Amino acid sequence: DVKVTQSSRYLVKRTGEKVFLECVQDMDHENMFWYRQDPGLGLRLIYFSYDVKMKEKGDIPEGYSVSREKKERFSLILESASTNQTSMYLCASRSFLRGNEQFFGPGTRLTVL
Amino acid sequence: AQTVTQSQPEMSVQEAETVTLSCTYDTSESDYYLFWYKQPPSRQMILVIRQEAYKQQNATENRFSVNFQKAAKSFSLKISDSQLGDAAMYFCAYRSAGQGGGSEKLVFGKGTKLTVNP
Repeated sequence: DVKVTQSSRYLVKRTGEKVFLECVQDMDHENMFWYRQDPGLGLRLIYFSYDVKMKEKGDIPEGYSVSREKKERFSLILESASTNQTSMYLCASRSFLRGNEQFFGPGTRLTVL
Repeated sequence: AQTVTQSQPEMSVQEAETVTLSCTYDTSESDYYLFWYKQPPSRQMILVIRQEAYKQQNATENRFSVNFQKAAKSFSLKISDSQLGDAAMYFCAYRSAGQGGGSEKLVFGKGTKLTVNP
C-alpha cells in the first residue's frame, strides 16, 4: 500500500516562528503536493513538485516555501508563522506514470498563537 | 481556470437508504478526470471513485456510483445502502488530462458533510 506520512498530527507554534512541516512517501512518486484545508473553503493548493528540486506555486503560495531535496520527502516551510496560517495541512503524492490518483497523508493541524 | 462546485454543504441519510451528492464543474477542456474523495473524521483522505471524461459509462465501485453528465458538466455521487462508516466529508475534484503546465493538480470543491443516521 502507498503510504504518505506527515511528521506531526498536531503542532502549536508562536507568531513569527519558522515552521517546518515534513511529508514522506514510500512509493517513489514523482509528484508531491501541499494543500491547506479550511472549513467552508475545501482544499487549496499551496505548492507542488513535479520531481526532485522542482517546484511550482499553487493557488495560495504567499507566506510559504517548499523544499524537495529527495524524491520521497517534500517539506513545507512557514518562514514567519502568522495566526492566519492556523489550519489543517495535507500532503499528497502521485505517480506520474501509474495513474491519476493522489494519495494523502493524515494531515497536520497547525495552530499559530 | 477550472472550478468545482458542491452546492450541498451538509446532507444526511438514514442507514440503508440511498443518498446522492451533487457536483458541478466548469472547464473548457474536453479531456479530464473527475474524482470523489472521502475524508472520515480521522482525517485521512481516500479516493472513492474516479471517472475519465472520455468514457461514457458511469463508474461504479461497490455501493458507490456516479452519474456523469458531460454536457451538463455534472458529476454526482450516489451511495446505496448507506452505512454508518460512510459518514464523512466528501470532496469532488477535477484534474486536467494533460501533462505539465500545472495539470497535475487537483481542483477541489468545498465539500459536503454526510451524516448517516442509525
